[in-house]
This record gives sequence, structure tokens and C-alpha cells, in this order.
Amino acid sequence: AQSVTQPDIHITVSEGASLELRCNYSYGATPYLFWYVQSPGQGLQLLLKYFSGDTLVQGIKGFEAEFKRSQSSFNLRKPSVHWSDAAEYFCAVGRVQGGKLIFGQGTELSVKP
Amino acid sequence: EAGVTQFPSHSVIEKGQTVTLRCDPISGHDNLYWYRRVMGKEIKFLLHFVKESKQDESGMPNNRFLAERTGGTYSTLKVQPAELEDSGVYFCASSQPGTSAYNEQFFGPGTRLTVL
Repeated sequence: AQSVTQPDIHITVSEGASLELRCNYSYGATPYLFWYVQSPGQGLQLLLKYFSGDTLVQGIKGFEAEFKRSQSSFNLRKPSVHWSDAAEYFCAVGRVQGGKLIFGQGTELSVKP
Repeated sequence: EAGVTQFPSHSVIEKGQTVTLRCDPISGHDNLYWYRRVMGKEIKFLLHFVKESKQDESGMPNNRFLAERTGGTYSTLKVQPAELEDSGVYFCASSQPGTSAYNEQFFGPGTRLTVL
């Protein structure tokens, strides 16, 4: 069965520190992979996506993610976190046909001054 | 350009009552999705419309949930009668024509439903 695991429910980092949010997936074929962010009162916003090709993908707001097929992982990274990055982050996997997304449980990020 | 809008933003109802949630997708988006997040759990897919047709309703929990998209524009999700376990945040998303996950889904802010 297809599934997505985000092992960290809540992470706190200091402003200016680097960030890595973990995501592992289980999928029968090459997946489409996504990271979304949800700020309070807002809808989910797409940060970046991976379909094929270069395994290091760049997204908005200075985020990047690396697809590692051997580890079934798609971790999200940012070299220097800003206070405005405090939000909840969701990893998701999608199919070539159908559009349905399967989400992880989300990781809530807190940023301390 | 307006994004995906959802109404109401919050709804508090008693068990056994009926609630109708509404989603207005981005204009021109044929695809409309409903998802739900129960507290502490992952966001789960409910169903997918392509225009006015249900493409995939495999995530609908039971027959107390009825989704419609008359005319292929806005969609409603009715819960009748509501149960305690229906509490959660209901998200709507829309995407351009084409049913692949390649098409970015744009999400609304969600409707927080509380069933007492």
C-alpha cells in the first residue's frame, strides 16, 4: 500500500540554523513527490515537487529536497531558517494518473530567536 | 486571480445534524478534490471530480457523506447525519485540466468542522 511517513511531529530550530525535514514513502512505482507548507489560517502551498530527472530539486522560499530512491526518502532542506518559516510541512506522494495525493502526518516547525 | 475559497471557515454542529461545506475552485480548473484531516492524523483524500463527474470517490468514509459538483463549478460536501468522528478540517483543492498528479493542486484554507 502507498504511504508516506514523516517521523518528526514537531521540530524546533534556531533562526539562522539549517533545517532538514524527513520524509519516507512506500510506493510501487516511481512516485511523484511533493512538499507543501501550511501557515496558520492559510491553505497548503506547494514548495516543490519531483517527477523525474535531477534528484535535487529547488523550490520556493529557498527550500530544496533530494530524492533518494535507495532510501525511499525525499527530505526537505533549507540552509538558513527564517522566523517566517514557522509552519506545518507536509510531504505527499501522487500517482501518474488520477491526481490523488497521499500525505504524511505533517511536521510542525517552530523557529526560536 | 482568486484562489480556492471555502465556506464556512468554521462550523460547530451537534451530533445528528446536517452540515454542508462549499468549495469554489479556481476558474477554469476542471479538477476538484476534497481531503480531510482529523486531529493528529494525516490529510486523507476523500474524492476527486473532473468537471461534474466523480472520477474517484474511494476515500469517502461512508454514505453519510454526499459530494456534488453541479455544472462543474463549485462543489458541496454534505454530511448527514454528522457524527463525532466527522470532526476535522476539510480541504478542497483544484487543478487544471488533466488528471495527473503532475498538475499542481491549489488548496483552499479549509473548513474546520466540530461535531459536539
